[in-house]
Amino acid sequence: SAVISQKPSRDICQRGTSLTIQCQVDSQVTMMFWYRQQPGQSLTLIATANQGSEATYESGFVIDKFPISRPNLTFSTLTVSNMSPEDSSIYLCSAVGGNMEDIQYFGAGTRLSVL
Amino acid sequence: QKEVEQNSGPLSVPEGAIASLNCTYSDRGSQSFFWYRQYSGKSPELIMFIYSNGDKEDGRFTAQLNKASQYVSLLIRDSQPSDSATYLCAVNPGSARQLTFGSGTQLTVLP
Repeated sequence: SAVISQKPSRDICQRGTSLTIQCQVDSQVTMMFWYRQQPGQSLTLIATANQGSEATYESGFVIDKFPISRPNLTFSTLTVSNMSPEDSSIYLCSAVGGNMEDIQYFGAGTRLSVL
Repeated sequence: QKEVEQNSGPLSVPEGAIASLNCTYSDRGSQSFFWYRQYSGKSPELIMFIYSNGDKEDGRFTAQLNKASQYVSLLIRDSQPSDSATYLCAVNPGSARQLTFGSGTQLTVLP
């Protein structure tokens, strides 16, 4: 399996500010994804991070709120913009492809609290 | 109708028993199926994946797939308290490699 490093692991932020979460994979991967997991809930896909092009967002998520970058095959960032308390959640990065074949692995997650 | 449904929990079993976790999916064209374990406060950890009809065994875990019934299950034999976690069923509906997750089943193994 690949090693997926995600940082920060947690943060407490003020309303109206933005936070950028980084995700680094130790090998080249085909696809990277960003998920949100609200307390007591399952995972909801935010977007697919596409290398060298704009991310593909799921219904209910927009680029202005969750801009995503993926400059190469091993790295991606998710920014949570203009945060409100409703954005308090765990944000998870995952990757699939390359030597991981069809298997999707997850980073450790970023636990975000917005005051 | 949810795309991936899991049996409602929480599920409690005594230590040493068999825990049975079930999952159904709506997209008949789904290609691959995964079980993740998630401990409280941690990220999902892959336990099993299965692509073909039938059973797949790995240690105490057995995944079962029936594509005709659109059903996938996970059996945990000789359950241990350390197996207490939320188990997530995930389905890849096609070549996009995106996963659709079920809502999860919380399992508690009682000592």
